[in-house]
Amino acid sequence: DTEVTQTPKHLVMGMTNKKSLKCEQHMGHRAMYWYKQKAKKPPELMFVYSYEKLSINESVPSRFSPECPNSSLLNLHLHALQPEDSALYLCASSQENRQYFGPGTRLTVT
Amino acid sequence: QKEVEQNSGPLSVPEGAIASLNCTYSDRGSQSFFWYRQYSGKSPELIMFIYSNGDKEDGRFTAQLNKASQYVSLLIRDSQPSDSATYLCAVKEGYGGSQGNLIFGKGTKLSVKP
Repeated sequence: DTEVTQTPKHLVMGMTNKKSLKCEQHMGHRAMYWYKQKAKKPPELMFVYSYEKLSINESVPSRFSPECPNSSLLNLHLHALQPEDSALYLCASSQENRQYFGPGTRLTVT
Repeated sequence: QKEVEQNSGPLSVPEGAIASLNCTYSDRGSQSFFWYRQYSGKSPELIMFIYSNGDKEDGRFTAQLNKASQYVSLLIRDSQPSDSATYLCAVKEGYGGSQGNLIFGKGTKLSVKP
């Protein structure tokens, strides 16, 4: 089983809203990732958690705030986003060298 | 700067033909190579991975790796219209052990014509 789940599937938010994206995996993977993907572009790494600790933050603006409450859950808190932040947000987890993506959250910022 | 290069396509092949997708990478320390398939509006799906020089076959898919030439390819035999998607080549950075980051190519769009 290589399932990573993400909620919500779609999210529309205003620039003053606060919202959160959620990601869950029950495969015992110890590394989890957030990616951002714009249309016709490859996924762009945002954050990496390894053993529940933030190991990589790829110079992401502070309006994106990750959180890893436990080894199965990963959140991405959103605040004061800009329209250019509209994208597909992907969560992934990895074990034994292979990364598996969740279905993504399609985010639209109005 | 570590790079992964792919032809963006579109690559168009007739149904039943072999589709050949190519990828080159710059990081000589890379040891792990992956192919993801991404349908429009969906997330990337891992379809092949290869770590050793040579060929690796899985059903209609064959991954080929040549570390000396820094080249990895994906062959799809008996292509079907359902194979029409964007194929992303990804290379794991040559440090960081099992948690090293993936570097993605820009993807090749494949279109299989009935």
